[in-house]
Amino acid sequence: DSGVTQTPKHLITATGQRVTLRCSPRSGDLSVYWYQQSLDQGLQFLIQYYNGEERAKGNILERFSAQQFPDLHSELNLSSLELGDSALYFCASSTTAAYYNEQFFGPGTRLTVL
Amino acid sequence: AQTVTQSQPEMSVQEAETVTLSCTYDTSENNYYLFWYKQPPSRQMILVIRQEAYKQQNATENRFSVNFQKAAKSFSLKISDSQLGDTAMYFCAFMKHVTFGDDKIIFGKGTRLHILP
Repeated sequence: DSGVTQTPKHLITATGQRVTLRCSPRSGDLSVYWYQQSLDQGLQFLIQYYNGEERAKGNILERFSAQQFPDLHSELNLSSLELGDSALYFCASSTTAAYYNEQFFGPGTRLTVL
Repeated sequence: AQTVTQSQPEMSVQEAETVTLSCTYDTSENNYYLFWYKQPPSRQMILVIRQEAYKQQNATENRFSVNFQKAAKSFSLKISDSQLGDTAMYFCAFMKHVTFGDDKIIFGKGTRLHILP
């Protein structure tokens, strides 16, 4: 158990819908990262937040957005969902903003878009 | 743009054997970091080992070691005395060293490793 929690574990929804994925980092970790793992695209970095502010942005679509709240939990919002958005979404956390420090991954949220 | 290539989609070895997973990358950067991550059937991503490009000495973590060849842009992972629990997907990853704003990590497609009893 990494100490990072993600909810929900599974999510099934329809095209065009909007969903929110939630992540709680390890106690004391200020940095949160979001990743998408799909069969087509492999594992991709989406976005990083550090202490409430956006720190780095990867291959995140405009339909997707994220934020980190004062209590350091983070949410990833996916809107106008398409079939291709079906994937495993991981959250990870680390103590600092430095990406090369070890990140601790959550168990992921499996999103299925029908 | 940086790329990471893992040329072995799948491998199988007997328990207790040594196995080497290959990874090559392409970059024009001089300062960067390389990682190997493990994703077991539970799907949880776990950092196995990390290498800073400015360090010539190969990183080692217990049974896991790397062969880092900077000039050849090669970063292979060696697993010694393999165990059944090593069965997993292994991802090689690259990140260039930056101070702010563009430190995104690039992953390879992965190598699925099966340790056979």
